Amino acid sequence: DAGVTQSPTHLIKTRGQQVTLRCSPKSGHDTVSWYQQALGQGPQFIFQYYEEEERQRGNFPDRFSGHQFPNYSSELNVNALLLGDSALYLCASSFNGGWGYTFGSGTRLTVV
Amino acid sequence: AQTVTQSQPEMSVQEAETVTLSCTYDTSESNYYLFWYKQPPSRQMILVIRQEAYKQQNATENRFSVNFQKAAKSFSLKISDSQLGDTAMYFCAFHLGGTSYGKLTFGQGTILTVHP
Repeated sequence: DAGVTQSPTHLIKTRGQQVTLRCSPKSGHDTVSWYQQALGQGPQFIFQYYEEEERQRGNFPDRFSGHQFPNYSSELNVNALLLGDSALYLCASSFNGGWGYTFGSGTRLTVV
Repeated sequence: AQTVTQSQPEMSVQEAETVTLSCTYDTSESNYYLFWYKQPPSRQMILVIRQEAYKQQNATENRFSVNFQKAAKSFSLKISDSQLGDTAMYFCAFHLGGTSYGKLTFGQGTILTVHP
């Protein structure tokens, strides 16, 4: 069963740098959502992509951007990294019109 | 805006016993869903149980059941016959509507430890 795959699993970046995180959705899913989970906190919704368009966005600055490709995979880009961007970034895929989110194991980003 | 509150940062229980995790939420909407997710050290968020707001009957999934009090906006999770594998962070979550359009709003989480 091809679940949600995220890469990389861990990475360390320096303040001011840019980072790209990747997500491959579960087979049959066409919608990808991204969440930020600070240590010891619940995940916070960043945005959702469907048909290669951002269709809903949470309360995150424009430094956070994304992309969805024709094969439904997605990228999350964060520019001008801040120490506060250190978190676990979770990707969740789903089928538009259906129900059920499948989460990946996340990417642990540390900004130093 | 919807909010979800979990007031128990940590809970512990002995193996084979029963434990209840609390959750309250706030919304002015009528069509919504509530969830409990489990996040073990592997970090993957795993769905434990789902409750549709329009259903009066409380959802059950094997050892897991909920007490859904719509008027009080309360949604607690009961785990019966606790097992060591239940040790994890548990999140209560809210979702508007019945499709995947939208977002999950999570509570702060409760760390559950099951002791042998």
